[in-house]
Amino acid sequence: AQSVSQHNHHVILSEAASLELGCNYSYGGTVNLFWYVQYPGQHLQLLLKYFSGDPLVKGIKGFEAEFIKSKFSFNLRKPSVQWSDTAEYFCAVNVGNTDKLIFGTGTRLQVFP
Amino acid sequence: NAGVMQNPRHLVRRRGQEARLRCSPVKGHSHVYWYRQLPEEGLKFMVYLQKENIIDESGMPKERFSAEFPKEGPSILRIQQVVRGDSAAYFCASSRQVGGNQPQHFGDGTRLSIL
Repeated sequence: AQSVSQHNHHVILSEAASLELGCNYSYGGTVNLFWYVQYPGQHLQLLLKYFSGDPLVKGIKGFEAEFIKSKFSFNLRKPSVQWSDTAEYFCAVNVGNTDKLIFGTGTRLQVFP
Repeated sequence: NAGVMQNPRHLVRRRGQEARLRCSPVKGHSHVYWYRQLPEEGLKFMVYLQKENIIDESGMPKERFSAEFPKEGPSILRIQQVVRGDSAAYFCASSRQVGGNQPQHFGDGTRLSIL
């Protein structure tokens, strides 16, 4: 069965620090990859997505992610975090032509001023 | 520019009662998905519906849970005879078309609490 692993459950950073959140998936075929963000009390919002093409994907709010097929990874990065980035971040995949998303357990990011 | 609308935002039920959760997709979207988020866990897929059809219900518990997406009106997730373990946040998402590469738009969720 397909699965998504996010190994960082809780990350605490100071403003201006760099961020990298890990995401690994288990599936050998074609995948579509997503990062969603959930700010406190709000719905999930799409940060960025990868379907094909350039494996380095730029998203909103200065986030980017790199798809490394050989490592089955899609790590999220931001060079300099802000206090407003405090949120929960979810990596998700769908495989082949299915439409359901398989989510990781999420990473809670806290940024202190 | 209405996104996915879910109501109620919070729902409190006693054990044995029924819970009905509603979801109106983004205008023009005909595909609806329901996910459940248990405390300290990620979202888990429950069911995928198109208008009047259940396409994939592989994540739905076999008993007490049902979903529909009628020709008119919102999608409904119905939980009969609720138990404490049903306490969770239930999220609805919609997309415009199938194909696996259409991003899903999420609602604010319904937080269900069972007393």
